[in-house]
Amino acid sequence: DGGITQSPKYLFRKEGQNVTLSCEQNLNHDAMYWYRQDPGQGLRLIYYSQIVNDFQKGDIAEGYSVSREKKESFPLTVTSAQKNPTAFYLCASSIDPSRYQETQYFGPGTRLLVL
Amino acid sequence: GENVEQHPSTLSVQEGDSAVIKCTYSDSASNYFPWYKQELGKGPQLIIDIRSNVGEKKDQRIAVTLNKTAKHFSLHITETQPEDSAVYFCAAKESGGSYIPTFGRGTSLIVHP
Repeated sequence: DGGITQSPKYLFRKEGQNVTLSCEQNLNHDAMYWYRQDPGQGLRLIYYSQIVNDFQKGDIAEGYSVSREKKESFPLTVTSAQKNPTAFYLCASSIDPSRYQETQYFGPGTRLLVL
Repeated sequence: GENVEQHPSTLSVQEGDSAVIKCTYSDSASNYFPWYKQELGKGPQLIIDIRSNVGEKKDQRIAVTLNKTAKHFSLHITETQPEDSAVYFCAAKESGGSYIPTFGRGTSLIVHP
């Protein structure tokens, strides 16, 4: 089955702790994205990556970091600098947004809660 | 940058009725408009999209209309069913340009049996 997987489904973070959310895709998509979703606020872009070893900040990158060492993987780390991390995190991918193949496909999400 | 407004934020209908969700956008360069359905606790799923070279697209009970002059597009769901209950998001993007679509804030559709 092709698709996007995110793990874990639920994640608990303690004060001062860094946590990493996993996102993997086997769709051979070039671009990957991380969004944060809060109730009533829609989708806010955290980071995106067009190709391996390259990524750009989105609208709310402070307190987050990413890496893109492989085409299939785009992990997101929520650092201790992110003071309000409780949210639903969504990973997405698209074939090649620069060539009119820009439809984004989303993973099932990870819900992050602070203890 | 692009700004997408989506209305209403909540829509409640009886089973069998039609539902219409409207979005407006600000950037006349936008020409790709997807719609996503998000069920509770899940990721958004693309249900239909439209490009600016057409004014309407239909897929069974759902349709999207686009008015480029007025910069608005709408999702129409006919013969609604309880399983249509979800949050629906619209988005706008300049095809081949910016890599990032701009999303509306979502509409919570509730279909009462």
